[in-house]
Amino acid sequence: AQSVTQPDIHITVSEGASLELRCNYSYGATPYLFWYVQSPGQGLQLLLKYFSGDTLVQGIKGFEAEFKRSQSSFNLRKPSVHWSDAAEYFCAVGAGGFKTIFGAGTRLFVKA
Amino acid sequence: SQTIHQWPATLVQPVGSPLSLECTVEGTSNPNLYWYRQAAGRGLQLLFYSVGIGQISSEVPQNLSASRPQDRQFILSSKKLLLSDSGFYLCAWSSFVGTDYGYTFGSGTRLTVV
Repeated sequence: AQSVTQPDIHITVSEGASLELRCNYSYGATPYLFWYVQSPGQGLQLLLKYFSGDTLVQGIKGFEAEFKRSQSSFNLRKPSVHWSDAAEYFCAVGAGGFKTIFGAGTRLFVKA
Repeated sequence: SQTIHQWPATLVQPVGSPLSLECTVEGTSNPNLYWYRQAAGRGLQLLFYSVGIGQISSEVPQNLSASRPQDRQFILSSKKLLLSDSGFYLCAWSSFVGTDYGYTFGSGTRLTVV
């Protein structure tokens, strides 16, 4: 069955430090992969998505993610975190048809 | 451009009362529509999705129901709310045209059942 695992429930980084949020998926075919961000009390906003082609995907707000088929991973990165990046981040996989499976989320805290 | 509207933003309802949450989409036709629930500290749980008027698929057995009376309108309902229905409800629409594959979410409804 398809699944998405975000092993870190929460992460704390210092402002200006680099960030990597982990995501592992289980899916039988080449997946559609996504990262979304959710600010408190808000809906989810799409950061970036991968369908095919270049495995390094650039998104909004300076984020990027790399698809590694051999590791079934799609980790999100940002070279320098800003305080406004504090939010919850969701990895998701398009599971075919009309469904998308979301991970449980990783809450990012940014300290000054 | 496409927009999605969801209301109300917050709602406090007593146990046993009815529920109606509404979601509308503008700027697109025949969207795929979804209702998700997000419980505190947990991920998103798909409740219902719809690929057309009157077509509803339920993912999780519960005392909630959904309806799609118009192409761009999606309603989440309950006849009698339970405490366990508390959570953050998100409506979303998606497109599968070419690489335009992804979800656009509404701003959510915070439901507290007391």
